[in-house]
Amino acid sequence: LAKTTQPISMDSYEGQEVNITCSHNNIATNDYITWYQQFPSQGPRFIIQGYKTKVTNEVASLFIPADRKSSTLSLPRVSLSDTAVYYCLVGDYGTGFQKLVFGTGTRLLVSP
Amino acid sequence: DTAVSQTPKYLVTQMGNDKSIKCEQNLGHDTMYWYKQDSKKFLKIMFSYNNKELIINETVPNRFSPKSPDKAHLNLHINSLELGDSAVYFCASSPVISGRRNEQFFGPGTRLTVL
Repeated sequence: LAKTTQPISMDSYEGQEVNITCSHNNIATNDYITWYQQFPSQGPRFIIQGYKTKVTNEVASLFIPADRKSSTLSLPRVSLSDTAVYYCLVGDYGTGFQKLVFGTGTRLLVSP
Repeated sequence: DTAVSQTPKYLVTQMGNDKSIKCEQNLGHDTMYWYKQDSKKFLKIMFSYNNKELIINETVPNRFSPKSPDKAHLNLHINSLELGDSAVYFCASSPVISGRRNEQFFGPGTRLTVL
């Protein structure tokens, strides 16, 4: 499994765009890049996934450069409710018996 | 409509006791999991069940025994509780087919405190 490195914590203010970068130098050809969000006192929640280039959904955007050795989760105009831990997962866990491997995550604190 | 539910939400008990945590999912998924999140917030998989069969067992002490009466339920029974078992336990589920890769649905967690 590809090892991931992401900042331990980030601070932001409401209304700002937040970019969280994840490094995964030994990503394999079949690996997908998946981000989960965990609010305090809740379980993690899948937010976005990509393989290459850019993916956008109603929650976030995911930018993946051509070499795929890193990825950036972009949260537009954050609000206080975006305060959470964001986990970057790299692997091909398939749709069956998945063994997700979570790293330390990035703790995002959004202030007024 | 709760997709993955766990009971109880909080569990406080003494060392040496036996306790159970229940999990139910109404998503029709075939695979269910138990994760442990310790005080340092590391989230690690413990078990995975598919259609009531054990698929993954991540070298968890045998004091932990998962039980799946049907594919919608996966309960976790813990014998002889130890201080180090204090953590938040999350149940999760995923579809085998027709699902997005790497996507699991997590319950709200059960905070276990062993005194």
